[in-house]
Amino acid sequence: QVQLVQSGAEVKKPGASVKVSCKASGYTFTSYGISWVRQAPGQGLEWMGWISAYNGNTNYAQKLQGRVTMTTDTSTSTAYMELRSLRSDDTAVYYCARVRGLTGPFDYWGQGTLVTVSS
Amino acid sequence: DIQMTQSPSTLSASVGDRVTITCRASQSISSWLAWYQQKPGKAPKLLIYKASSLESGVPSRFSGSGSGTEFTLTISSLQPDDFATYYCQQYNSYVWTFGQGTKVEIK
Repeated sequence: QVQLVQSGAEVKKPGASVKVSCKASGYTFTSYGISWVRQAPGQGLEWMGWISAYNGNTNYAQKLQGRVTMTTDTSTSTAYMELRSLRSDDTAVYYCARVRGLTGPFDYWGQGTLVTVSS
Repeated sequence: DIQMTQSPSTLSASVGDRVTITCRASQSISSWLAWYQQKPGKAPKLLIYKASSLESGVPSRFSGSGSGTEFTLTISSLQPDDFATYYCQQYNSYVWTFGQGTKVEIK
């Protein structure tokens, strides 16, 4: 069965960086893209970006351009999301999700990783 | 960027009620629209894709309709398990956008 398992919760200081991992299993990793979505406490879902696990192509949300980098390691079927220059409003649960087809809906999700930014 | 607007933001309903949630896109997205259900502390779950296609394993009381800029999610007879927050999402050309969400509460 398809599973996306994310790394554990993180606490970071403002200005620091965080790197969240998402290990995929149960399907051919390079046949699907991965998107990252975050959700601030009590708020809605915000799409952060997408990476093709096939060739590493990326597309990031405009508001995060320059602060976010998404990568994959095909040898371990793992996707990564790094966010730099953290601010308090980056405090959120971060989800990875599998993209159905080339640019379709998100059919499987990780369990979420809480990132807390606090001095 | 394409903006997605859901209404209402909150909906109070009783078990057995028919419930409709609307989602509007700022420009035409054809039928590239999905609906998700999210419960507190859980990841979202895909319910509907391509505006009206029911995801495998999702109860048939959920249905979606619409194309272009106006879409609806209907729950034909609300069940206790359906009290949750629902999000629409457009997907087009490697950019995805969510609506702000509709919370379905117990009346």
